[in-house]
Amino acid sequence: AQKVTQAQTEISVVEKEDVTLDCVYETRDTTYYLFWYKQPPSGELVFLIRRNSFDEQNEISGRYSWNFQKSTSSFNFTITASQVVDSAVYFCALSEAGFGNEKLTFGTGTRLTIIP
Amino acid sequence: NAGVTQTPKFQVLKTGQSMTLQCAQDMNHEYMSWYRQDPGMGLRLIHYSVGAGITDQGEVPNGYNVSRSTTEDFPLRLLSAAPSQTSVYFCASGGGINEQFFGPGTRLTVL
Repeated sequence: AQKVTQAQTEISVVEKEDVTLDCVYETRDTTYYLFWYKQPPSGELVFLIRRNSFDEQNEISGRYSWNFQKSTSSFNFTITASQVVDSAVYFCALSEAGFGNEKLTFGTGTRLTIIP
Repeated sequence: NAGVTQTPKFQVLKTGQSMTLQCAQDMNHEYMSWYRQDPGMGLRLIHYSVGAGITDQGEVPNGYNVSRSTTEDFPLRLLSAAPSQTSVYFCASGGGINEQFFGPGTRLTVL
């Protein structure tokens, strides 16, 4: 069975600080996909990134970066120079490859609060 | 292009009532799904469909029915609502090697 663990339930940082959100996953599949979603206070789910298991390159998008390490089954998300607009709940998710790969297993989320 | 739409946005039911949550997408996606979000539990998959006429159960299917008669629509039916079904419900479409698009959600309260 697949499992995603986000051990940090809540994090608060002062604006402009860097913050890393942890995500650890479990799967028996050798091919899988990892995702991060943002849920701002308005409630919608915003897609941030998708990464397949064969691509271990780190990714940077503006102030956001992702560190994928298969050796530790982790897919961590870092926000650099945080801003108040980054305040949200962030979800890490996992899906298997092949038929049924659309089924997402979500972590319980990390609530991030940026203090002005 | 409206993406994924859900109606209603809010609903209050009494225990034992039935209702249907509507979901529609205009992106011609074969895959659609329903999730529920509860505090401290993330999102959990209720039912999904890989195309018209094909549905299957997810992690928490009990108390819910679905059908998929068209590519565009994927309604979720609560046959006899229970307080344990108080939750926020999200519909999604797409997936596979692509991004899944989520609807805005329906907040359901069962008294």
